[in-house]
Amino acid sequence: QSVVTQPPSASGTPGQRVTISCSGSSSNIGTNTVNWYQQLPGTAPKLLIYSNNQRPSGVPDRFSGSKSGTSASLAISGLQSEDESDYYCAAWDDSLEGHVFGTGTKVTVL
Amino acid sequence: QLQLQESGPGLVKPSETLSLTCTVSGDSIGTSTSYWGWIRQPPGKGLEWIGNIFNSGSTYYKLSLKSRVTISVDTSKNQFSLKLSSVAAADTAVYYCARTYSSGWYSPFDYWGQGALVTVSS
Repeated sequence: QSVVTQPPSASGTPGQRVTISCSGSSSNIGTNTVNWYQQLPGTAPKLLIYSNNQRPSGVPDRFSGSKSGTSASLAISGLQSEDESDYYCAAWDDSLEGHVFGTGTKVTVL
Repeated sequence: QLQLQESGPGLVKPSETLSLTCTVSGDSIGTSTSYWGWIRQPPGKGLEWIGNIFNSGSTYYKLSLKSRVTISVDTSKNQFSLKLSSVAAADTAVYYCARTYSSGWYSPFDYWGQGALVTVSS
């Protein structure tokens, strides 16, 4: 039972903007930075966004992150077919003294 | 190029101990400022952090697994390992090893192994 929740699914047509929400609490998102991972089918997760809104080298600027209070969001603009994947938010939880992952959101490109 | 590779038995009997090793190439665990971690993913489900270790041997474990988990490091072999005792079917998962992006036990994971499926079954 994750303490960080995401919608199970999201979808959009190519070129559209899709937003995924991530809801936590004061002990995780409210206090610490949020990271996002992309997991393509059958592969290991890939770090997509760190420190709320920073992109590692090589991540397209179509991906952006934001945080407000105990919630965070990942936006994918100009949706492409290769963006069809599972997305997870994550943060350190001070109460649990560990990393917590969100429940995950499956993005479908229609 | 940094690479991580998990290895170990793919099948473990209930009540026994799951053992996995992560071999790192392209970075030196002994001199790295990163933490090294284990994350698992049951089939069709989400990601679950298990624990982190630093080259000094300092560890952080998921509280609900703490009584069953041991993560250790062997800097001479550039490896770190996971032991999970008293396993049950619920421990069946793909187990990933990973490196944190920067120093700090709370840092996200930027490099991941390909994952190793471990099935708990008699």
